[in-house]
Amino acid sequence: AQTVTQSQPEMSVQEAETVTLSCTYDTSESNYYLFWYKQPPSRQMILVIRQEAYKQQNATENRFSVNFQKAAKSFSLKISDSQLGDTAMYFCAYGGATNKLIFGTGTLLAVQP
Amino acid sequence: DVKVTQSSRYLVKRTGEKVFLECVQDMDHENMFWYRQDPGLGLRLIYFSYDVKMKEKGDIPEGYSVSREKKERFSLILESASTNQTSMYLCASTLGTSGRVDEQYFGPGTRLTVT
Repeated sequence: AQTVTQSQPEMSVQEAETVTLSCTYDTSESNYYLFWYKQPPSRQMILVIRQEAYKQQNATENRFSVNFQKAAKSFSLKISDSQLGDTAMYFCAYGGATNKLIFGTGTLLAVQP
Repeated sequence: DVKVTQSSRYLVKRTGEKVFLECVQDMDHENMFWYRQDPGLGLRLIYFSYDVKMKEKGDIPEGYSVSREKKERFSLILESASTNQTSMYLCASTLGTSGRVDEQYFGPGTRLTVT
């Protein structure tokens, strides 16, 4: 069975600095997708970024980028130039053959002014 | 934009009551999901549906049932609410493209308290 592990329950970063959130996963599937979702306080969960396992190039979306290490089964999220609006719970998720997502336990990120 | 709505943001029910949580999506998505979110446990899948009247159990289906009579609507039912079902419930939907895992679109969540 696939598993997703986020080992950092909480993190804090100063505004304008860079922060990296960690995620590791375990799978025997060769084709899969990895996601980072963001859940701001009292607001809806939204997709931040997606990576397809067969693509070697790391995905980027503006200030958000990933470091996808397929052999190490690692999928970290880097947030550059952190903003107050980045304060949120971040979930890493795995999607494989079943089309269901398996979520990690989340990392609560606080951006300090 | 895809919109997923849930019938209530906050709900307080008594032990033993039958509880209905409703979810509606407006983008003709094939797949719909119900999760519960608890601190330290992340999101856990309760049930999902790939088509009208089709449902499959997720990881924690005990104490829950679902109904999908129309494509846009997916209901979660707590047959006899218990205090350990106090949680945040999230609904999500996806397009259902064959051969790929689509982005899931989430509703705002229903915070259910069972007393």
